[in-house]
Amino acid sequence: GQQVMQIPQYQHVQEGEDFTTYCNSSTTLSNIQWYKQRPGGHPVFLIQLVKSGEVKKQKRLTFQFGEAKKNSSLHITATQTTDVGTYFCAGYTNAGGTSYGKLTFGQGTILTVHP
Amino acid sequence: KAGVTQTPRYLIKTRGQQVTLSCSPISGHRSVSWYQQTPGQGLQFLFEYFSETQRNKGNFPGRFSGRQFSNSRSEMNVSTLELGDSALYLCASSPLGRKSAANTEAFFGQGTRLTVV
Repeated sequence: GQQVMQIPQYQHVQEGEDFTTYCNSSTTLSNIQWYKQRPGGHPVFLIQLVKSGEVKKQKRLTFQFGEAKKNSSLHITATQTTDVGTYFCAGYTNAGGTSYGKLTFGQGTILTVHP
Repeated sequence: KAGVTQTPRYLIKTRGQQVTLSCSPISGHRSVSWYQQTPGQGLQFLFEYFSETQRNKGNFPGRFSGRQFSNSRSEMNVSTLELGDSALYLCASSPLGRKSAANTEAFFGQGTRLTVV
């Protein structure tokens, strides 16, 4: 079945440093979404990428979707302590229209920011 | 709009028992998905319901079941609980339509933390 791999598993940074997490799917994705889960919280939607090669920015966050629609990345510039949490990528594969409601999540990257 | 509400928030059960978890989606959302989150396996898809019909199912044993009511509220049931069922169970609702298969964000509830002893 479809697999989504995400690296690194952990990332410790000093406040102000940049951070990047990478996502790779075993199959071509219809779209990819990114979620953030704070410690003790639930996943919260950040963004969705749909088009091949798409790049979207949200303040200090930059999201990219690969040309082949099989990989994606999230880059945070100048991290802050409020960025702490686990970042997940999640992909939809419209395999014959049977993907209703099914997001395949990467394992997540746990980001720790030291002040 | 109120968010996705899951009850109860915490639950402790004994091996062999069964449990029912509840999820109330965002008003107007007809698609409800369930996920199991564990430290080892991450977030894994259980099933998705739309208009009281299960449209998609993950790779979980038959002990895991669910249903959806006419008001879109959903329940999931786990029978004959095993220690490995201890997890955070997350419900997500989305404005997915009858024909759309993807491309909308999922709104997650706070989850139900199930501990099996």
